[in-house]
Amino acid sequence: GAVVSQHPSRVICKSGTSVKIECRSLDFQATTMFWYRQFPKQSLMLMATSNEGSKATYEQGVEKDKFLINHASLTLSTLTVTSAHPEDSSFYICSARNPGVLEAFFGQGTRLTVV
Amino acid sequence: AQRVTQPEKLLSVFKGAPVELKCNYSYSGSPELFWYVQYSRQRLQLLLRHISRESIKGFTADLNKGETSFHLKKPFAQEEDSAMYYCALSGHATSGTYKYIFGTGTRLKVLA
Repeated sequence: GAVVSQHPSRVICKSGTSVKIECRSLDFQATTMFWYRQFPKQSLMLMATSNEGSKATYEQGVEKDKFLINHASLTLSTLTVTSAHPEDSSFYICSARNPGVLEAFFGQGTRLTVV
Repeated sequence: AQRVTQPEKLLSVFKGAPVELKCNYSYSGSPELFWYVQYSRQRLQLLLRHISRESIKGFTADLNKGETSFHLKKPFAQEEDSAMYYCALSGHATSGTYKYIFGTGTRLKVLA
C-alpha cells in the first residue's frame, strides 16, 4: 500500500512556542490530506481537510489560527500548532488520499507534549 | 450530517467464536465505507473497503443501505485479531468538502 510519513514522531515543547508537524506521501500524490487529533483511548477526531493549493477546511470547534495547515505541494502538508498550551498535548495523525483510490493512508502519528 | 456510530467500546470473545463489530452510519448521499484496524503501538491500517467486497484475514463486511450499517464479521476469532477497530466513512459534505470521518472504535479482545 501507499506510504505516508509523519515527522516528528514525538515532540516536547514549552508552553507558548510553536510546533510544526510534517506529513508526506512518499510514493503517491495526495491531493487531499486530513489531520486528526486522538485523545487517549478515544477515536480520531477530524480537525481539518486540506487540498493542495487551497485553504484548509476546518471542522467546527477547531481554531484555524491556532492550528495552521499548509498543503503547498502534492506530497507535503504541515500542521503548525501555534502558541502551544498544555491542553494541546495530544496525538496528532495525518492521512493522505490519492484520488485514484478510495481509501486514505495514515501516518504513524505525532505525540505532542507541551510543558 | 455525516456520522459513524460504533455502539460497542469493548467486545470480548473466546478464540474460535464468531465476531461481529457493529457500525452504523448517517449520510445523505452514497458513502464510501471502510474498516481500519490498529494493532498495539502501530498505525492505522486499512482492513476492508465496502466497494471491494473482499475478505481480509477472514473478515468480511457488507454494506446494508436499508439499515445504514456496515458491520464487520469473522466466523472464527483468532487471538491475533485483538486490536482496535474503526469504521470510517468518506464522502462529500453538503458544503462540498470531502471528509473522512471515523467512529469511536471498538476494542476487540480475543480470549484464549
